[in-house]
Amino acid sequence: EAGVTQFPSHSVIEKGQTVTLRCDPISGHDNLYWYRRVMGKEIKFLLHFVKESKQDESGMPNNRFLAERTGGTYSTLKVQPAELEDSGVYFCASSQLQRYGELFFGEGSRLTVL
Amino acid sequence: DQQVKQNSPSLSVQEGRISILNCDYTNSMFDYFLWYKKYPAEGPTFLISISSIKDKNEDGRFTVFLNKSAKHLSLHIVPSQPGDSAVYFCAASENTGNQFYFGTGTSLTVIP
Repeated sequence: EAGVTQFPSHSVIEKGQTVTLRCDPISGHDNLYWYRRVMGKEIKFLLHFVKESKQDESGMPNNRFLAERTGGTYSTLKVQPAELEDSGVYFCASSQLQRYGELFFGEGSRLTVL
Repeated sequence: DQQVKQNSPSLSVQEGRISILNCDYTNSMFDYFLWYKKYPAEGPTFLISISSIKDKNEDGRFTVFLNKSAKHLSLHIVPSQPGDSAVYFCAASENTGNQFYFGTGTSLTVIP
């Protein structure tokens, strides 16, 4: 069974440009999460989808970030326009719709904003 | 403000000895705790979990201890192996279960 896949693995863009990150969760997983880790810091929650609905987007830094999950399958996270402080590794994770379940993480998308 | 704290950024242990990784939390509503292991250029992988109704959970060489009164949990690895060298993250969630809060990680090096 395929795990959580993320694309691209690494993106280098200039300040002011736009980047879209994609996440394909494990098939059948209704919960999808986006997290971000800035160098040396904690893995910080961005938002949580249950199927196609945003359950909690309290961790989104500002309105330059837009996440979608059309049809309850894959998800995209768009940063527009990107700023220097957006650099970091963006992780996607998915889990089954149950309490006390584990999160399955993708390998992450490293974003570097110059 | 960080609700899950791992105050030791790094730890070195001799192969065969015990590794003890610590984690503190501030939110008394947390009732489910997990440990993740992360290798470079990979995503975190689940290691072991514990719910607040227990104070210990064991899985092979890995044991997690929870002290609710101290808001503290620890991960014991016995015996430590070189392949255990990785960054270990502690995570916690509230009883609403919407999101997981992670610590900053502890980099474990097991010396052969």
